[in-house]
Amino acid sequence: GEDVEQSLFLSVREGDSSVINCTYTDSSSTYLYWYKQEPGAGLQLLTYIFSNMDMKQDQRLTVLLNKKDKHLSLRIADTQTGDSAIYFCAEIRHTGRRALTFGSGTRLQVQP
Amino acid sequence: GAVVSQHPSWVICKSGTSVKIECRSLDFQATTMFWYRQFPKQSLMLMATSNEGSKATYEQGVEKDKFLINHASLTLSTLTVTSAHPEDSSFYICSAGTGDQPQHFGDGTRLSIL
Repeated sequence: GEDVEQSLFLSVREGDSSVINCTYTDSSSTYLYWYKQEPGAGLQLLTYIFSNMDMKQDQRLTVLLNKKDKHLSLRIADTQTGDSAIYFCAEIRHTGRRALTFGSGTRLQVQP
Repeated sequence: GAVVSQHPSWVICKSGTSVKIECRSLDFQATTMFWYRQFPKQSLMLMATSNEGSKATYEQGVEKDKFLINHASLTLSTLTVTSAHPEDSSFYICSAGTGDQPQHFGDGTRLSIL
């Protein structure tokens, strides 16, 4: 099965909060990331959290990390139509190799 | 902030052609770059790790002779898809970073083989 799992689709209304969830299986993960991908484009780094942190907030974005449950979430406050995209969580494992392991991606649809 | 440039953004070519994709780190030096492949509506899969001045490290199932990687300088890695066929059509994305800083991604290259 997947090492990093995400729900495939989330739909919210403009102005609501969006919460995108991610679970991972490797407890040795050091950094956990959230990337945004718009259609036909590359990946945009949104935010990241080090594994010894519980929470990180950056403007409309809040990342929560529950190491015990290996659960990561991204909350987008006051979601806008421009937030519609695919969101990937990704991890770097404590193996010395810095390649990312990605989740399947969550498509966020924001309805006006 | 760190920027990674990828070129070209879209290429269409006939079957049997070799295609070269460039990945550049614009304002930092990268001893390591990564090449990923993404099929439609799927996640990114790591193809190989590009190491400056040495051979690339390929993931299991990725053909070394098919996907040639050259990392001749600290700011440039190239991926050449040799004798491309329709099944090689995909979205190819590179990434680079320094130290413990997050990886930054290029805008990707859409490869369409007819």
